[in-house]
Amino acid sequence: EPEVTQTPSHQVTQMGQEVILRCVPISNHLYFYWYRQILGQKVEFLVSFYNNEISEKSEIFDDQFSVERPDGSNFTLKIRSTKLEDSAMYFCASSPDRGQVTQYFGPGTRLLVL
Amino acid sequence: GDSVTQMEGPVTLSEEAFLTINCTYTATGYPSLFWYVQYPGEGLQLLLKATKADDKGSNKGFEATYRKETTSFHLEKGSVQVSDSAVYFCALKGKGDTGFQKLVFGTGTRLLVSP
Repeated sequence: EPEVTQTPSHQVTQMGQEVILRCVPISNHLYFYWYRQILGQKVEFLVSFYNNEISEKSEIFDDQFSVERPDGSNFTLKIRSTKLEDSAMYFCASSPDRGQVTQYFGPGTRLLVL
Repeated sequence: GDSVTQMEGPVTLSEEAFLTINCTYTATGYPSLFWYVQYPGEGLQLLLKATKADDKGSNKGFEATYRKETTSFHLEKGSVQVSDSAVYFCALKGKGDTGFQKLVFGTGTRLLVSP
């Protein structure tokens, strides 16, 4: 069964460093999302992406964050200058089309900022 | 804005006990409703969903019915197993013109099942 994959599974970085989290959505899907889950808290929406542009973003998704689909398969989340509070599990999700309500999640990348 | 409220955990049960995890929502219109499960050390997996009032979603012995009148989507299972121990998230996705609506999650309920 097709699935969303994410790399790396874990990343440790120093405060102020840039990180790029990578996702490979399910191949025929057109809509892509990033969510995050700070330890012990709820899963929060960050951004949605369609047709090579952001379609919606949350208040969390400030200028330090960016997303990109650099080729036909990858979908990346970049944090330009990490802060301690960016430590969280980051989930990528995808869905196939406008009428499909289900989003399929990847296993997540656990980011630790020291 | 849209929101989801779940019962606080942890919920601790013995194997073969009956499970209910309450979920209520606030949303404009008629959202789609979901239960996701997160097993220890893993990501989010879709457990079941319902897209309109009175729909019942079911999977792996779990069930939830979309109740518009009470704005609820409670998760139930008749006989839990140790392997059901996980965190369960209720979520909604609004309906609208854009189709890009984000998922709004509850805080999650941890289920612990002992042998």
